[in-house]
Amino acid sequence: EDQVTQSPEALRLQEGESSSLNCSYTVSGLRGLFWYRQDPGKGPEFLFTLYSAGEEKEKERLKATLTKKESFLHITAPKPEDSATYLCAVFEYREGQNFVFGPGTRLSVLP
Amino acid sequence: SAVISQKPSRDICQRGTSLTIQCQVDSQVTMMFWYRQQPGQSLTLIATANQGSEATYESGFVIDKFPISRPNLTFSTLTVSNMSPEDSSIYLCSVEFGQGTDTQYFGPGTRLTVL
Repeated sequence: EDQVTQSPEALRLQEGESSSLNCSYTVSGLRGLFWYRQDPGKGPEFLFTLYSAGEEKEKERLKATLTKKESFLHITAPKPEDSATYLCAVFEYREGQNFVFGPGTRLSVLP
Repeated sequence: SAVISQKPSRDICQRGTSLTIQCQVDSQVTMMFWYRQQPGQSLTLIATANQGSEATYESGFVIDKFPISRPNLTFSTLTVSNMSPEDSSIYLCSVEFGQGTDTQYFGPGTRLTVL
């Protein structure tokens, strides 16, 4: 069965303390992996799309990487405003729509 | 990027009633989708809203419960019918612009509480 998991479920960091979030997936043919940020009470905000193993994307303090089985979202020197839930989603090659979200990682960055 | 709006932003409804949620985009899009996000959980795809034809529903979701319309390339509605407290969720629409990226962009969501 296709599956997307994320770890840790929740993460508390001190401001400036770098860390990584993990997204693991088991799909038969990955078409794309997406990272979103979601603030409480709001819709997900698009961050990155990754298509092939070895690909990397960066935006401010965030860097996303992709391997054949997982993706990492690296957060360098985070600030309190980076506190949010980070969601990954995979899009699989198969007939019909298959855009599956992981459960998310709740990140809290303390000042 | 486009502006995606949803109406209402939130509502409190009585059991047995229906609510229609609107999703408006300020530019034409190829694909529109409806998701449900139950409290404390991630997003689950309800259906793909197809312009000019019936929506395509995911397993566990049926047209009688969640009728969807998409009359044009910028607008869609989702109706939650005969509501029960289990329907209390955030309902989100998303769009894809069809530029080969498969990336979906989300609206702000509609927070529904059913009493």
